[in-house]
Amino acid sequence: KNQVEQSPQSLIILEGKNCTLQCNYTVSPFSNLRWYKQDTGRGPVSLTIMTFSENTKSNGRYTATLDADTKQSSLHITASQLSDSASYICVVSAGYGGSQGNLIFGKGTKLSVKP
Amino acid sequence: ETGVTQSPTHLIKTRGQQVTLRCSSQSGHNTVSWYQQALGQGPQFIFQYYREEENGRGNFPPRFSGLQFPNYSSELNVNALELDDSALYLCASSLDLAGGGNEQFFGPGTRLTVL
Repeated sequence: KNQVEQSPQSLIILEGKNCTLQCNYTVSPFSNLRWYKQDTGRGPVSLTIMTFSENTKSNGRYTATLDADTKQSSLHITASQLSDSASYICVVSAGYGGSQGNLIFGKGTKLSVKP
Repeated sequence: ETGVTQSPTHLIKTRGQQVTLRCSSQSGHNTVSWYQQALGQGPQFIFQYYREEENGRGNFPPRFSGLQFPNYSSELNVNALELDDSALYLCASSLDLAGGGNEQFFGPGTRLTVL
């Protein structure tokens, strides 16, 4: 069964600190992996998208890594800011194009950044 | 802002009623996907429309139906509302289906409450 598991479920850090969010997946065949940021009550906003051949991708203070062998991804946030408080969702695309219904969503990690 | 708009932002209905949610896709996008997101959960795929045709459906009953119009805007209709239909409904638009790496852009969502 295609699944995406994220950890931790929630995380509290102090402003200015770094943190790393984890995503493990069992999705086959694998097409790509995306990280989204979702503010409470809002739609998700894309941070990164990585294909099988990409190991790392950065977007400002966000750096995503992908290990296709171990089927693990991480999202590292550097020098956190209060505005980073949100849910971070890992999404894996199964298959090779076709219906977007092949997107498998994780439940997200809720990050709270405190002053 | 992604350019994807949804209306209304909030809606309260009672059990057994019917509801129509609307989505305007980002300019140039021809594909719209709808998701249901319960509190604390990741989005669940409802269905997708590509050039006015349904192109994939998740595990939702037939009382969830949709339409896509020639301008690629879309509607989600839910009949015979149930309490468990209370959720954030997200619309996401993208440009065609090739390659599986086409990014989805999410709207802000419609918060539906069923009493």
